[in-house]
Amino acid sequence: SQQGEEDPQALSIQEGENATMNCSYKTSINNLQWYRQNSGRGLVHLILIRSNEREKHSGRLRVTLDTSKKSSSLLITASRAADTASYFCATLLTLISNFGNEKLTFGTGTRLTIIP
Amino acid sequence: DAMVIQNPRYQVTQFGKPVTLSCSQTLNHNVMYWYQQKSSQAPKLLFHYYDKDFNNEADTPDNFQSRRPNTSFCFLDIRSPGLGDAAMYLCATSREGGNEQFFGPGTRLTVL
Repeated sequence: SQQGEEDPQALSIQEGENATMNCSYKTSINNLQWYRQNSGRGLVHLILIRSNEREKHSGRLRVTLDTSKKSSSLLITASRAADTASYFCATLLTLISNFGNEKLTFGTGTRLTIIP
Repeated sequence: DAMVIQNPRYQVTQFGKPVTLSCSQTLNHNVMYWYQQKSSQAPKLLFHYYDKDFNNEADTPDNFQSRRPNTSFCFLDIRSPGLGDAAMYLCATSREGGNEQFFGPGTRLTVL
């Protein structure tokens, strides 16, 4: 079953507004990552937050992680037309017995549209 | 610039005709991944190499095989493509297994 589920599935906002996407997961994680995918292209890594971190910033991006609720959120401030893309969270599961050979499981994604 | 390259970007094949997709990287990463992504869905991991060690996902069909002849190159072989195998195939690399992954642009496979 899917480890991560994102909410909402689709989001349309006006340029300049803030966009918030949420990700929920089911099992304990080592880290959680957010990726962006423009239509028909590969994924681009945005930010990684470890299980012992609660908040992280990168430019206009702010990510929070609540391990007690098994959830994360991605906030994009002052959105731009170029932010139009799909956003995926991906979780790295804790595989104590297989250190160094971990894998990510991607969520279902949020399709973000910025209206100029 | 260091990057992940996938060839071809678009591949058309016939039902049942074997096809090979290629991926190369200049990042010198030891882990390489192959994902399948269907329209509006999440990328689904097919298998990955940790150095020379091959790790197959339990639900990856036998129809899908992979080769990694050296650190830089990795191939995805689909022995007998079916209509359900039409998808975007994404190659990714990482330094060790838990870090950020670097993706190629993908190969869009069409099966006629």
